[in-house]
Amino acid sequence: DTGVSQNPRHKITKRGQNVTFRCDPISEHNRLYWYRQTLGQGPEFLTYFQNEAQLEKSRLLSDRFSAERPKGSFSTLEIQRTEQGDSAMYLCASSSLSGSYEQYFGPGTRLTVT
Amino acid sequence: DAKTTQPNSMESNEEEPVHLPCNHSTISGTDYIHWYRQLPSQGPEYVIHGLTSNVNNRMASLAIAEDRKSSTLILHRATLRDAAVYYCIPTAAGGTSYGKLTFGQGTILTVHP
Repeated sequence: DTGVSQNPRHKITKRGQNVTFRCDPISEHNRLYWYRQTLGQGPEFLTYFQNEAQLEKSRLLSDRFSAERPKGSFSTLEIQRTEQGDSAMYLCASSSLSGSYEQYFGPGTRLTVT
Repeated sequence: DAKTTQPNSMESNEEEPVHLPCNHSTISGTDYIHWYRQLPSQGPEYVIHGLTSNVNNRMASLAIAEDRKSSTLILHRATLRDAAVYYCIPTAAGGTSYGKLTFGQGTILTVHP
């Protein structure tokens, strides 16, 4: 078990460009979560999946954001027409449906929009 | 979501116990109390959780008040590696928000050598 991995670790993009991040959860974890964290703040929930179904989306997630988990394994988070306010750390976490459902977080993808 | 109140920061010396308090007076009767911590430049890490009874694991102990309106995370012997932001998070045990974590500001713990 290698833990949750996220790619890329860092992304610098120009305003207006599209970016896509990938999250590989711990194998056999049914649930996958996306969070966003800005400097000095705690992470904010964006959305989560149970297997391939997206069950909840935060009001923070504008129409420019879309997330997928097509086969219930890895997930992608796409941001279209990036804005400077999108600059943040994007964190992915996964958990099992059984047991304490504690979440295991990846190292995050740091996005800088210039 | 239940509101939480934690001290902005706390300090400790290495090898000493640390008691990190959290008030969650609006917690639902079925919400679990989770604690996570975030070390510098890393994603959050699960520490411990409980419902009503006090809990112990290899990392810490969790003391839950009888009325469940507050809890205390106890690090028995702080090390430099325990320097992190600690988050107390009431978490729904079911329904659509099952498992979703709502982070507050947390407590920044500084450990002095």
